[in-house]
Amino acid sequence: GIQVEQSPPDLILQEGANSTLRCNFSDSVNNLQWFHQNPWGQLINLFYIPSGTKQNGRLSATTVATERYSLLYISSSQTTDSGVYFCAGNSGGSNYKLTFGKGTLLTVNP
Amino acid sequence: GAGVSQTPSNKVTEKGKYVELRCDPISGHTALYWYRQSLGQGPEFLIYFQGTGAADDSGLPNDRFFAVRPEGSVSTLKIQRTERGDSAVYLCASSPVVGPEAFFGQGTRLTVV
Repeated sequence: GIQVEQSPPDLILQEGANSTLRCNFSDSVNNLQWFHQNPWGQLINLFYIPSGTKQNGRLSATTVATERYSLLYISSSQTTDSGVYFCAGNSGGSNYKLTFGKGTLLTVNP
Repeated sequence: GAGVSQTPSNKVTEKGKYVELRCDPISGHTALYWYRQSLGQGPEFLIYFQGTGAADDSGLPNDRFFAVRPEGSVSTLKIQRTERGDSAVYLCASSPVVGPEAFFGQGTRLTVV
């Protein structure tokens, strides 16, 4: 199966700062999602983005499928952005089995 | 319902006991998945249902784990003779008929003591 590497593993920001999270894949993916896991453990869908760029408020994401990476941008961070951010994808052999990275733990301080 | 619902939210059981974890997917979603998340790790795939049948159970760790979805909606993950290593958060997800984007429930935190 594919390998998913996320960086950085941990990130501490002051409220208002911007950040970029990265996700690298060992193989091509045809289904790529970004999630935010809140302190209660719920995985919240942020983006479904196999390719291209999408924006939703202060968050945006870009996937460059040919180079096997995706980026998540958080602008003007807020304390409620704290939590773990996961990317996940599946390779051509399976269009349903998501492989997750280990996540980026984001802490936004007031 | 509005989202994927999992019950119970928390389950504490003694080693060797049998447990059942329930998942109620988003209405109309035909695909249902179970994942397991250990502390500090990302979720790992366990099993996938398309309708009533288990299309892929390759992620189930051993034969103590079993899942059913008899009517193509609610699913139950069953764990026999629980071990302390089974302690984890068990996540359920579903996706619509068309489109692979998966939506997750809040999980069941299983603790085996």
